[in-house]
Amino acid sequence: DAKTTQPPSMDCAEGRAANLPCNHSTISGNEYVYWYRQIHSQGPQYIIHGLKNNETNEMASLIITEDRKSSTLILPHATLRDTAVYYCIVRPPGSSNTGKLIFGQGTTLQVKP
Amino acid sequence: DVKVTQSSRYLVKRTGEKVFLECVQDMDHENMFWYRQDPGLGLRLIYFSYDVKMKEKGDIPEGYSVSREKKERFSLILESASTNQTSMYLCASSPPGFSGANVLTFGAGSRLTVL
Repeated sequence: DAKTTQPPSMDCAEGRAANLPCNHSTISGNEYVYWYRQIHSQGPQYIIHGLKNNETNEMASLIITEDRKSSTLILPHATLRDTAVYYCIVRPPGSSNTGKLIFGQGTTLQVKP
Repeated sequence: DVKVTQSSRYLVKRTGEKVFLECVQDMDHENMFWYRQDPGLGLRLIYFSYDVKMKEKGDIPEGYSVSREKKERFSLILESASTNQTSMYLCASSPPGFSGANVLTFGAGSRLTVL
């Protein structure tokens, strides 16, 4: 399985951009990168995903390096409500028709006033 | 706007009791999943189902069973609860197949305490 490595914790000032890195050096060519977040005592929430190109939606942007060995999730204007654990996930191979995802430890993002 | 509903947010049960955790989704998804989440261990997949009456074991199925009689409902059953099953249980669903659009939608979670 392609594994991901994320820093255990990060701080960000409110209103500033939060850049959360993820390393996935063993990613395969057909594996997507997904980002989820989990606010305390709630279920994980989908944020964004991508394969090769950079992606943007109303929540965040995802920047994937050309060699696909790492990616960065960008929250352009972090608010206190963005304080959460952020998970970077690479879709494991051989999981057709299951949607199985493997969650690691994630990065705890603390947005400070 | 709730799409995946877990019947109980908090449960307290005694050792040896039979426990049912119910999950209902309203998105007509084929795939449904049960995870448990423990500090330091992340989310671990217990069981999943990709169709009515179909089920597959995840990474930690021991001590659990599941039932999927209707497409929208996926139940997790603890036949005889034990203290090491104290955990947060998360249900999720997703569309069928393997594509980039196969995103999981989670419920709010059920925190089970077994005394």
